[in-house]
Formats: sequence, structure tokens, C-alpha cells
Amino acid sequence: SSELTQDPAVSVALGQTVRITCQGDSLRSYYASWYQQKPGQAPVFVLYGKTNRPSGIPDRFSGSSSGNTVTLTITGAQAEDEADYYCNSRDSSGYHYVFGTGTKVTVL
Amino acid sequence: QVQLQESGPGLVKPSQTLSLTCTVSGGSISSGNYYWSWIRQPAGKGLEWIGRLDTSGSTNYNPSLKSRVTISIDTSKNQFSLRLSSVTAADTAVYFCARVVDKWNYFYFDYWGQGTLVTVSS
Repeated sequence: SSELTQDPAVSVALGQTVRITCQGDSLRSYYASWYQQKPGQAPVFVLYGKTNRPSGIPDRFSGSSSGNTVTLTITGAQAEDEADYYCNSRDSSGYHYVFGTGTKVTVL
Repeated sequence: QVQLQESGPGLVKPSQTLSLTCTVSGGSISSGNYYWSWIRQPAGKGLEWIGRLDTSGSTNYNPSLKSRVTISIDTSKNQFSLRLSSVTAADTAVYFCARVVDKWNYFYFDYWGQGTLVTVSS
């Protein structure tokens, strides 16, 4: 299967830790990347692998992987982290990209 | 700083062909080993990858759209384009262009355009 499944929504108290998971068979073979999208804006690249972040992305964002599941962790969530998050990887052919279903993160 | 900007008609009639162009500034579209990609997002829904091409013109398309999609590049204008034929209301979405860093064992979309809304309606 080339699908990447995410929980539709999660919430986190300000300053606490939230984990966003992404499941799919292709994740056993390929790295995932993560994107943050705020309303009315283009997605922003956040991370690939464990700690490979572009400049400007805080180190409270980290990643992990186990089997067919990858996880984006936000340690010490801030109000500005409230957004939709999408994982992204390849399908089983390796030549096509697939986005996850997306997770809405609410910071309480 | 690389910037991408989508352009094209915001309204397309059913059964016609949607055509969009992405203009790249702040760097040459031919430099570096990048792919150039299109992604779309219907209102209130998730992201859908449409396809990609490299600077040699080699393409890969989403299998679900492959029969209707063509992505091409014009290096002289620093642009790449999307054509989606036989559109229906289901093709109404915000369309994004993006640059892809693809090192096989990892990849990511590092620069995105702001997106352009295309509505399919008569």
C-alpha cells in the first residue's frame, strides 16, 4: 500500500510534548519528511529523519522511526506550533511521493 | 533565496485543460540536482502530490492522475508548467509548485510557491 495514515487531530497543553504519528508500509524502506501548514499558507518543511531541520526550525521539533511508523515530536509546544502537519514519503515504487492524511495540532 | 510563483487561470470549465506555470527566481532552475514538483490541496483537505520533473525533462506522475497530467520545463524562462486535461469539479483545489531535494535515501520539498486557487466550473 502507498497510503500514509495520520491521526486527524491531537491537542497539547502549552509547554507540553505532543507526538504526531504517520503509518505506512513504505516507511519500512524510506525516510519521511514533515511539513507544517498554517491556514491560508503554503506548507513549510520542518524535518526529515531524526533531527535534520532547515534553518529557522526550532530544535523542539524532532523525529523518530520504528517499523512502519514515523513520529514527529514537539517538545515544549508553543502557541505558534498550532497548525496542520503532514508526513511525506515515497510509495513502494520509490519514484512517486505520497503525503500523509494530515494531523491538526491544537495548542491549549 | 529561491522563490516560486504560480500563475494561470483561476477558473477552468469542465472537460477543458488546466494550465499553470511556476516561475522560479533567486536561482537557475537548471542548477543543482533538484526536482520540480506540483502538489494540490482541495479546500479543507490534505495535500496530494501530482508529479515531478528534473532538469533533463524526465518526469514521474501520481498514478491516479497519470493519464491526464503533463509537466514540462522551460529552462530559458526559468519556469516549469502543469497541464491537467479533462478536468472536473474534483480538480478544484489550490495548486502549489515546489522544489524537491531528492537524495534517494531522503528527500524533501524545501521551497514552495504561495499556491493558486483553480476552480473548475461552467
